Amino acid sequence: DGGITQSPKYLFRKEGQNVTLSCEQNLNHDAMYWYRQDPGQGLRLIYYSQIVNDFQKGDIAEGYSVSREKKESFPLTVTSAQKNPTAFYLCASSIKREGRNEQFFGPGTRLTVL
Amino acid sequence: EDQVTQSPEALRLQEGESSSLNCSYTVSGLRGLFWYRQDPGKGPEFLFTLYSAGEEKEKERLKATLTKKESFLHITAPKPEDSATYLCAVQVGGRDDKIIFGKGTRLHILP
Repeated sequence: DGGITQSPKYLFRKEGQNVTLSCEQNLNHDAMYWYRQDPGQGLRLIYYSQIVNDFQKGDIAEGYSVSREKKESFPLTVTSAQKNPTAFYLCASSIKREGRNEQFFGPGTRLTVL
Repeated sequence: EDQVTQSPEALRLQEGESSSLNCSYTVSGLRGLFWYRQDPGKGPEFLFTLYSAGEEKEKERLKATLTKKESFLHITAPKPEDSATYLCAVQVGGRDDKIIFGKGTRLHILP
């Protein structure tokens, strides 16, 4: 089955620790995205990548880092510099065609800082 | 500033009671408008894409329409399983095809 997988589903972290969230897609999509979702707020873009070995900061990149070594994979590291990391994290991918950018989402990872 | 606003924030309907959700936008150069359904604790599920004013898309009890300033998601004779948060997103023209999301409408259908 084609789709986007995220792991783990739930993640607990102690303050001061870095954690890495996994995102894999087998849709052969070029672009991948990381969003953060907090209660009562819309999805906010953290980082995005349009091609392998290239990525750009989104609206709230501070305290996060990413890599894009493979087309299929776009892991997100939440560093200890992120002041309020507890949130629901969503990965998405899209294939840009004729100017269109329909994004499809993974199931999400809920991160809780203890 | 580009902005997407969804209303109402929450809506409770009786089963079979039809209604509409609104997504209004002020953006510089609309490239596309998307509707998603999101269940609690899950990722958004893609529903529709609309690209030009006057366009309509349908799927089961849902129908999405688009004008130059807003989009409506019409729900006809809803069932309890239609309960979810519905998200609207707008693709803005530009080099990176930025997507802006609204905050969503929480829909609850009572049996």
